[in-house]
Amino acid sequence: QKEVEQNSGPLSVPEGAIASLNCTYSDRVSQSFFWYRQYSGKSPELIMSIYSNGDKEDGRFTAQLNKASQYVSLLIRDSQPSDSATYLCAVKSDTGRRALTFGSGTRLQVQP
Amino acid sequence: DTGVSQNPRHKITKRGQNVTFRCDPISEHNRLYWYRQTLGQGPEFLTYFQNEAQLEKSRLLSDRFSAERPKGSFSTLEIQRTEQGDSAMYLCASSPGQTNEKLFFGSGTQLSVL
Repeated sequence: QKEVEQNSGPLSVPEGAIASLNCTYSDRVSQSFFWYRQYSGKSPELIMSIYSNGDKEDGRFTAQLNKASQYVSLLIRDSQPSDSATYLCAVKSDTGRRALTFGSGTRLQVQP
Repeated sequence: DTGVSQNPRHKITKRGQNVTFRCDPISEHNRLYWYRQTLGQGPEFLTYFQNEAQLEKSRLLSDRFSAERPKGSFSTLEIQRTEQGDSAMYLCASSPGQTNEKLFFGSGTQLSVL
C-alpha cells in the first residue's frame, strides 16, 4: 500500500463547476497535510495547508481533513481552465520521516 | 529573485559520467530537501538538511548519490557513475523549519542519461 494515494485521473470538469480531488494516507500519526499544484513542465507550488479536522477555505479553494478516516480532499469552486494542472497531496508525519511524502497526483482538466 | 534557485536547468550526460547539481535555498530557510520526480509520479524524497546537518536519507538513495550543504547555505547533489534509470527531474526545496514545514520548490534540474 502506498503511503499517500491519489486517483491519477484525468478528472475532467466543465468551466465553472466544482472540482473535487481526494487523497488517502496510511500513516495514522500524520499531522500536516498540503496540496500542491504542478503545471506541466513546472515545479510544484503550495496552494493549501491543513492541520486540523474540518474545512479550511482560501478563496476558491477548500481543503477538508478527516483524520479518523485518513482522508484529505481539495475542492476548487468555479473551476477555470487555468486550474488545469496536476494536484499533489503531501503528508508529513510527526514520527519517522520528517520530510513530506507526496502522492502521485491527480490531473485536472477544466473544459472551457 | 528570492526564491529557490537550481542550476543547471538541464543536464545531458552519458552513462557512467558523474554529475553535480546545485541548489540555493531561500536565504532565511534552515531546511533544504532534495526530491526526484519522474513523469507521472509525485516527487520522491531523497534527503534533507537542517542547516549543515544531513538528518535523513531515503533508502532509495544509493551510494552513488551524495549530498552536501557545507555552510548551511547552498547544497550540492552529486551522482556518480550515472545510469539511465537516474534520468529524472531533481527538485530542491527549502522550508523555514521548526513549526513551518511548507516547502518551496526550485525549478528543478532535468537530468537525461544517454
